Amino acid sequence: EAQVTQNPRYLITVTGKKLTVTCSQNMNHEYMSWYRQDPGLGLRQIYYSMNVEVTDKGDVPEGYKVSRKEKRNFPLILESPSPNQTSLYFCASSGGNRQPQHFGDGTRLSIL
Amino acid sequence: LAKTTQPISMDSYEGQEVNITCSHNNIATNDYITWYQQFPSQGPRFIIQGYKTKVTNEVASLFIPADRKSSTLSLPRVSLSDTAVYYCLVGDTNTGGFKTIFGAGTRLFVKA
Repeated sequence: EAQVTQNPRYLITVTGKKLTVTCSQNMNHEYMSWYRQDPGLGLRQIYYSMNVEVTDKGDVPEGYKVSRKEKRNFPLILESPSPNQTSLYFCASSGGNRQPQHFGDGTRLSIL
Repeated sequence: LAKTTQPISMDSYEGQEVNITCSHNNIATNDYITWYQQFPSQGPRFIIQGYKTKVTNEVASLFIPADRKSSTLSLPRVSLSDTAVYYCLVGDTNTGGFKTIFGAGTRLFVKA
């Protein structure tokens, strides 16, 4: 089954403790992306990647890092999380030009 | 990327046709129009995509006038399960990379 898998689905942690949210897709998609969703603000793009070793900033990249060493994986790294990064995070992938995005089920992060 | 404007919310009753219009006055020549549906705590799901005139699939129709400055998502005979947020996006992954802007979306509430 074609899917985008995020882990963990839920995480409560404390300020400053580094964390990684993994994202994996099994569709051999070139494009992958991370979004955060906050009440009233819709989805905002954090980072995206157009291929292995090619990443670029979205609208809200501050405080986040990403890497794309393999085509299927696109982890989101919070080196020093802060409470304002408490949010619902979505990973997505796409097969390419004008192809729709496939989203994961989301990761709810709470940073205390 | 073209900015989009949608109504914040809409109400309907089961069995009615619902039309949600999206304004995108600055749409570029290469931009496609894509609609997504999102249920609470789930990732957005692709509904339909088009470039001009009319596109229809098993769940919706998309009407795009000749000037392409707006588009209308039409949901025939909605049911309670169509209660969700609907997002209109315009963009071209070929020229704009994979940078994506979701607006706040339209919250559709279907009543019995």
